[in-house]
Amino acid sequence: GEDVEQSLFLSVREGDSSVINCTYTDSSSTYLYWYKQEPGAGLQLLTYIFSNMDMKQDQRLTVLLNKKDKHLSLRIADTQTGDSAIYFCAVYDSWGKLQFGAGTQVVVTP
Amino acid sequence: ETGVTQSPTHLIKTRGQQVTLRCSSQSGHNTVSWYQQALGQGPQFIFQYYREEENGRGNFPPRFSGLQFPNYSSELNVNALELDDSALYLCASSLRQDSYNEQFFGPGTRLTVL
Repeated sequence: GEDVEQSLFLSVREGDSSVINCTYTDSSSTYLYWYKQEPGAGLQLLTYIFSNMDMKQDQRLTVLLNKKDKHLSLRIADTQTGDSAIYFCAVYDSWGKLQFGAGTQVVVTP
Repeated sequence: ETGVTQSPTHLIKTRGQQVTLRCSSQSGHNTVSWYQQALGQGPQFIFQYYREEENGRGNFPPRFSGLQFPNYSSELNVNALELDDSALYLCASSLRQDSYNEQFFGPGTRLTVL
C-alpha cells in the first residue's frame, strides 16, 4: 500500500520561509494535496498540485513535485504566527483511498 | 452553503459499548468518507460511501460499519469498543464528479474509550 512520510516537527522564525517535505511510494495519484490542521479543528485543504506539474504557486505557498524521486514539498513564504499548525501531505493510492502522512507540526516563533 | 458538520463533538464510552457518530455532508455533495485520526498520527481511511453504497474500505475490522442516507448524510457505527478506538473521527464530503476530488472535512468527533 501507499506509504507517506513526513518529518514531524519544524520550528521557524516569523518572517522566514518554511519548507515541509514529504515522500510517497505509490505514484498513481492524479493530484497531490497539502492539508492544514489547527488545534481542535478538522483538516483544511491548503493547496494541491496536478501530477503532471513540477511547481505550483499560490500566493505565499509554493508546491514542488519531483515525480522521479516521489518527493513533494510545501514552501510557505513570510511565515506568520497564524501559520502555526500541523501540515499533512496526502496522495491517493492505487485503490483510490486518500493516504495521509503523520503530519509536520510547524511552530512559528516571534 | 453549509459546511460539513459532525455530532457529537466529544464522546466518552467504555470498552465493549457501541457508538454512533453522525455527519452531514456539504450541500450538493454525494460522497462521504470517514477517517480515524489517533493522537499524533495522520488520518487513516475507514471507508467511503457514494450514493448510499459502500465504495471502498480501509484496513478496519467489520465492527466498524456505516450508512449513508438519501440526503447523503452518514453514520459511522463502532461495535465492541476497544481502548485503541480512542481517536478523532473525521468525516469528509466531496462531489464524486469533481475533477480534483477535493474533500471537505468536518471538525471531527473526539471519542474516548475508557
